[in-house]
Amino acid sequence: DVKVTQSSRYLVKRTGEKVFLECVQDMDHENMFWYRQDPGLGLRLIYFSYDVKMKEKGDIPEGYSVSREKKERFSLILESASTNQTSMYLCASSLLRSPLHFGNGTRLTVT
Amino acid sequence: AQTVTQSQPEMSVQEAETVTLSCTYDTSESDYYLFWYKQPPSRQMILVIRQEAYKQQNATENRFSVNFQKAAKSFSLKISDSQLGDAAMYFCAYRSSHNTNAGKSTFGDGTTLTVKP
Repeated sequence: DVKVTQSSRYLVKRTGEKVFLECVQDMDHENMFWYRQDPGLGLRLIYFSYDVKMKEKGDIPEGYSVSREKKERFSLILESASTNQTSMYLCASSLLRSPLHFGNGTRLTVT
Repeated sequence: AQTVTQSQPEMSVQEAETVTLSCTYDTSESDYYLFWYKQPPSRQMILVIRQEAYKQQNATENRFSVNFQKAAKSFSLKISDSQLGDAAMYFCAYRSSHNTNAGKSTFGDGTTLTVKP
């Protein structure tokens, strides 16, 4: 079974801090994704990557950046955390025409 | 850009009965994939069922089946013999089959399903 592991289940950070959310998958998937989930808004794509060092902006990239130095790891970076980035963050990976495999999610609170 | 609409924010069903969750989408593409994902209260999202647009036959996975109407751009999920473990938020998702954009998925807002004992 594919395993997608997000490093933290819960995270509390202060406004202005730099925040790193880590995601690792173990199935050699080319594609990796970061979504943000908010009540009533579904899942919104922040960034995705289709290969090592390759990245593309999703629908809501403002305030975020990503890093993919190795195929199995995809990091989401909040350069200067703000309270409106309090949310659930979901990482996913997949092959090109296959379903997404999700991690457990990271509940981030910015105070 | 593709959009996915789930018009039912909440649904409830009696245990052992059948419920249908609605999903419509908008796209100009002819080849794509549609998915239903389930997110139980424990939060990990898992795949329920998938449908390839080029296949006319509706997908079925045990108690879960879809009604795929390509012309109407409709993709509903039917859950038969509902069980308490089916209680979750369900998301409909669209994914292009094209190589561009890494096949990124577009999700609906979700439907929260409650199963009553």
